[in-house]
Formats: sequence, C-alpha cells, structure tokens
Amino acid sequence: DADVTQTPRNRITKTGKRIMLECSQTKGHDRMYWYRQDPGLGLQLIYYSFDVKDINKGEISDGYSVSRQAQAKFSLSLESAIPNQTALYFCATAGQGMNEQFFGPGTRLTVL
Amino acid sequence: QKEVEQNSGPLSVPEGAIASLNCTYSDRGSQSFFWYRQYSGKSPELIMFIYSNGDKEDGRFTAQLNKASQYVSLLIRDSQPSDSATYLCAVSLSSGGSYIPTFGRGTSLIVHP
Repeated sequence: DADVTQTPRNRITKTGKRIMLECSQTKGHDRMYWYRQDPGLGLQLIYYSFDVKDINKGEISDGYSVSRQAQAKFSLSLESAIPNQTALYFCATAGQGMNEQFFGPGTRLTVL
Repeated sequence: QKEVEQNSGPLSVPEGAIASLNCTYSDRGSQSFFWYRQYSGKSPELIMFIYSNGDKEDGRFTAQLNKASQYVSLLIRDSQPSDSATYLCAVSLSSGGSYIPTFGRGTSLIVHP
C-alpha cells in the first residue's frame, strides 16, 4: 500500500460547489502539507500542519480551508470552487529528518 | 516576498554528460535547501538536501551550496535518459523536519541518447 494516499485522484466540479480533497498517510509523520501545482509552475504551499492541533496558512490559503482530523489525515476544502482553482493538488508528509519527505500521487481538480 | 529562481529550460545534455542545474534564492536567512525530481505526470520525490556550505554527494548527484552568493546547484554526473524530468529547488527558513518550503518553478532536463 502507498505511504501517502489522496482521494479522489481526479475530480471535475462546477463553480460554486464545495469540494473536499482527502489525504491519508501511514508514515506516522506529524508534519503534513497541501500544495497546488499549475502548469509550468513549481509547488505553492496552501496550508501546513506540524501536529494535530497546529494548522498554518501557506502562501496561497485564500479560498481554501483544512482540517487535521488525526495524525494520519489532513483534508483540504474549497468552500466555493472557482475556475482558477483548477490545478494539480499534492499532499505531502515530513518526518523528523529532512530526508523524510513523501508526496501523495496528486489530485487533478478541474473547476468548470 | 521570498523568491526562489530557476531557469525553466529545457536543459538538454547528451547521455553521459554532466547536467548542471542552478537555483538562486532571495532570503539570506534560509537554512535548508532541497532538490526534487518530478517525472511528467508524477509527484515530486526528494533526491537531495543540503544545509551547510560546500558540496554534498550522493551517488551520481552532488548538491552545492553557497550561502554568501545565495545559490544552490545540483550536478548530475553520467546523465542517463532516465534522468529526464523536471527538477524543483526548494528553500526553507527553518531546518529539521519542521520545514516550510518555498519552491522554484523547476528546470526541465532532457538527456538525449
């Protein structure tokens, strides 16, 4: 089984809809991150969490919210999706050491 | 505004050559530096990290850090077609596991036979 899983893998939705992207990990890592990637761009940090009670905004948090339900689960919500939120979304985890970083397979989101 | 700059490429090198990928950053307080490889349609994977000035070698990969000049580079020796990917540079003000990365846009590398 994959260490970091994301559901759904692909999603097409309409403007104004609420949508939730889910991330689960089996690494036992406290640190989790949500990124978005647009074509030709690097990763932009949306939110990050260093433990269950710690949630922090990243560079581009407007229009997004997150929930850390447990150490293993970190969800990203778009309360009212808009077309410019069309992107590839990645969840990632990090352990104690800097070499312990793992990305999920990504969720491709299209907002029409 | 923290900035991490990379040449988008593509950088094209022949098989067996050394590929040199460069990254500059704006925040002098940056503490840790990372290189990721991302194959087309796949998620990034960490290949190197460095936090001290100088070189760090891992197999065919060497990361070089110069904090005074605010650049970090990745050298890939004996490049193979399987190294063809986008390479992302990331920088963090903190070290250790509690890192908060800022990514560059990535450099596309093509290794041709």
